[in-house]
This record gives sequence, structure tokens and C-alpha cells, in this order.
Amino acid sequence: DIQMTQSPSSLSASVGDRVTITCRASQGVSNYLAWYQQKPGKVPKLLIYGASALQSGVPSRFSGSGSGTDFTLTISSLQPEDVATYYCQRYNSAPFTFGPGTKVEIK
Amino acid sequence: EVQLLESGGGLVQPGGSLRLSCVASGFSFSSYALSWVRQAPGKGLEWVSAVSGNGAITYYADSVKGRYTISRDNSKNTLYLQMNSLRAEDTAVYYCAKDSRGHDSWGQGTLVTVSS
Repeated sequence: DIQMTQSPSSLSASVGDRVTITCRASQGVSNYLAWYQQKPGKVPKLLIYGASALQSGVPSRFSGSGSGTDFTLTISSLQPEDVATYYCQRYNSAPFTFGPGTKVEIK
Repeated sequence: EVQLLESGGGLVQPGGSLRLSCVASGFSFSSYALSWVRQAPGKGLEWVSAVSGNGAITYYADSVKGRYTISRDNSKNTLYLQMNSLRAEDTAVYYCAKDSRGHDSWGQGTLVTVSS
């Protein structure tokens, strides 16, 4: 099965900083890659699908890029409400594996 | 508005069984595949199982294959997860999710605790 990894596992940044999270697949998944945000105690929320398409209602400071095996999620200007754990997930074929998550905190 | 409402969670002994349900509204139920995703306490998300829109095709994570069965009743807009031979490591919040270019809608989750 294809394995998903994320880096870093956690980060602390200041409000207004540009934040980048990386996701890597052990084999190519084309652009069948989604990003989710899960705030503490809340249900996960889809942010990005197709590696770079912004889900409706998601702020434009979030963006995604990549194809094949290497992907990034970027928050262009970190806001206090962005404190959360972020997960990538491949959905090209089952099993639809999630990455281990990246916890984002405010410095 | 899409709504997904899970039920059926609870405390069960190791080796026991439980059936989860997820009632859906706000979309054309039979047109979408659906998944179950779980999250153990303090841990990350784990995709568990998926079923096609007509129920004919099912997929499972290796961790649950042979023990869990996913199904759906399109006449009742309801998704199910039959869980047998439960283990302590199956303890988690179980979410149902609508599959559309990833999981674009999620329920609130139902907690399953496997303990003696």
C-alpha cells in the first residue's frame, strides 16, 4: 500500500507568517490529494482537493501544490484561527490513506 | 445543507460486536460513495472503509478487513458499519463522510470504546 508522510510533525509560527507543510506519497498518486484541517475538539474539514483546488468557503490564504509524490500546503499569512492539525490524504485508490498530521501552533 | 448523523457507538467488551449507523440528508444519497473514518483518542485520522453509491463495491483498511462490513440502504439514506471481533485498538471516534474529491462532508462522530 502507498504510505503518506508529512513534515514537520509540528510547528510554531507567528501571526502573519507564511507556513508550509509537506506531504509525500511513497508512490505517485497523480493529483488525487486532499488536505484537511482539524481544530481541537472539532470535526475535520476539507480545505484542498485535487492537490490545489480550494474547497468552497475556505479562505484564500490557504493554497496547495504538487503532483505525483510531493505536495505542499501553504498558509500565506497565519491567523490565530488557523491553530489546528492538518492532514493530507490520497484518494486515487483504496485504501485512502491519511498522513500522520502536522500540528500548527501560534508562537 | 448536507447533514450526516452517526449513532450506535458505545462501550463493548473485547470480542464483541457493534453496528454503527449514519443517516444522511441534503444530497442525492445514492449518487455518492461514503466512507467511515476513525480517530483513536489523541491520535490521527485513519480511513476505515468505503462503499460505492449503489453498494456493490466495498473497500476496507487492512486493520479491519474480515472483521468489519460496510453497507448502505439507499431507500433509507443510511450507511452502516457492522463491527465484529472488536479489539481494544478499535477504540475511536467513528465518522461517516461523503466522498467527493476527498471527504467533503463529515458527521459529528460516534465514540466506540472497547474495554472489559
